[in-house]
Amino acid sequence: NAGVMQNPRHLVRRRGQEARLRCSPMKGHSHVYWYRQLPEEGLKFMVYLQKENIIDESGMPKERFSAEFPKEGPSILRIQQVVRGDSAAYFCASSRGTTNTGELFFGEGSRLTVL
Amino acid sequence: AQTVTQSQPEMSVQEAETVTLSCTYDTSESDYYLFWYKQPPSRQMILVIRQEAYKQQNATENRFSVNFQKAAKSFSLKISDSQLGDAAMYFCAIWVGTSYGKLTFGQGTILTVHP
Repeated sequence: NAGVMQNPRHLVRRRGQEARLRCSPMKGHSHVYWYRQLPEEGLKFMVYLQKENIIDESGMPKERFSAEFPKEGPSILRIQQVVRGDSAAYFCASSRGTTNTGELFFGEGSRLTVL
Repeated sequence: AQTVTQSQPEMSVQEAETVTLSCTYDTSESDYYLFWYKQPPSRQMILVIRQEAYKQQNATENRFSVNFQKAAKSFSLKISDSQLGDAAMYFCAIWVGTSYGKLTFGQGTILTVHP
């Protein structure tokens, strides 16, 4: 399967713990985007990364959230000291380059539940 | 900033019939693309159809077609010959040329298909 791979698909954390979500883009894609979907809502942009660079993090909460896309390995979305409001589905998407048509390829999402 | 509004939280259709999902948007940009995504219970985001704003001709993809009214900023999705597999959440989204991969999504419409 050469699609966007996300893991884990489901993650349960207690309040105060850390959550790490991983995303491997499609083969040949070097641009990664993270979106969050709260229950009963549409997807909201969080952050856009290229290899080793954060290009746009305007949708990322200022505290507790961070993202990286290292030279080697998957992109990681990290949530520290999780709270119940962080419970959501987190989607990763990728593109080959700076998309000029907006077409992104989405993974199946990681569903975070905070107890 | 862009906004997307889907005014129908839920819609239903009989199998083999036609249904239209509504979407309105707002942007001050002239270069943009509009999308309809399907999210089945598996939560995978699947691209259904895409429309370039500079094209007057409405996009068509098999049983899916759009009615793009640029002046009215309206972008509805018509599903013909509905099938049980069409049951899903449908999201309308906009991408503007200056926003990298930052799609702005509507709230979604849940489509139920009755046999």
